Amino acid sequence: AQSVTQLGSHVSVSEGALVLLRCNYSSSVPPYLFWYVQYPNQGLQLLLKYTSAATLVKGINGFEAEFKKSETSFHLTKPSAHMSDAAEYFCAVSDKRPGANSKLTFGKGITLSVRP
Amino acid sequence: GAGVSQSPSNKVTEKGKDVELRCDPISGHTALYWYRQSLGQGLEFLIYFQGNSAPDKSGLPSDRFSAERTGGSVSTLTIQRTQQEDSAVYLCASSSSGSNTGELFFGEGSRLTVL
Repeated sequence: AQSVTQLGSHVSVSEGALVLLRCNYSSSVPPYLFWYVQYPNQGLQLLLKYTSAATLVKGINGFEAEFKKSETSFHLTKPSAHMSDAAEYFCAVSDKRPGANSKLTFGKGITLSVRP
Repeated sequence: GAGVSQSPSNKVTEKGKDVELRCDPISGHTALYWYRQSLGQGLEFLIYFQGNSAPDKSGLPSDRFSAERTGGSVSTLTIQRTQQEDSAVYLCASSSSGSNTGELFFGEGSRLTVL
């Protein structure tokens, strides 16, 4: 079985500062990893995904994440936070290749606040 | 429609009543998922439908919860004899199983409040 740990429930950064949201996973097989974002009163949308190709994955809105097998991590970063980045961020893992019953296991989510 | 549509967007009910939540997936998507989002608990998988295969019901928390998908499209999640702990946002997602992206497309959810 796979699982995801997102430490902390809330991160606050200043506008223009580095954003770092941590995600550690547990999987008995090579994982497929995802970050989703949920803006207020909206559904989740995909930010980026790792599917065993390049370990550094670039997503929408300037976000990127690096898969580190030795650390079982898939942390999400953005060099410079923008006010519009305020949202809830979910890390998710699947043990099956995308398209084959990709039931995702989600972390508890991290709320990102951006201070002016 | 262009996206996953869920109704109602908000539902307030009394303890012990039955509720039905509806999900209309993206046209052509063969996979449909239900998740429950509770405050501070992240997303909890409930049930998964894939084409004509038997659904994966492994996440349903009790026998008060059931779901069906008619004609491979619209899905209804039913909660019988609702309890206060059932209060949550119920999210539906769909995906194209033929795709290699693995992306789930989510609706905006149905917020259920059980008084």
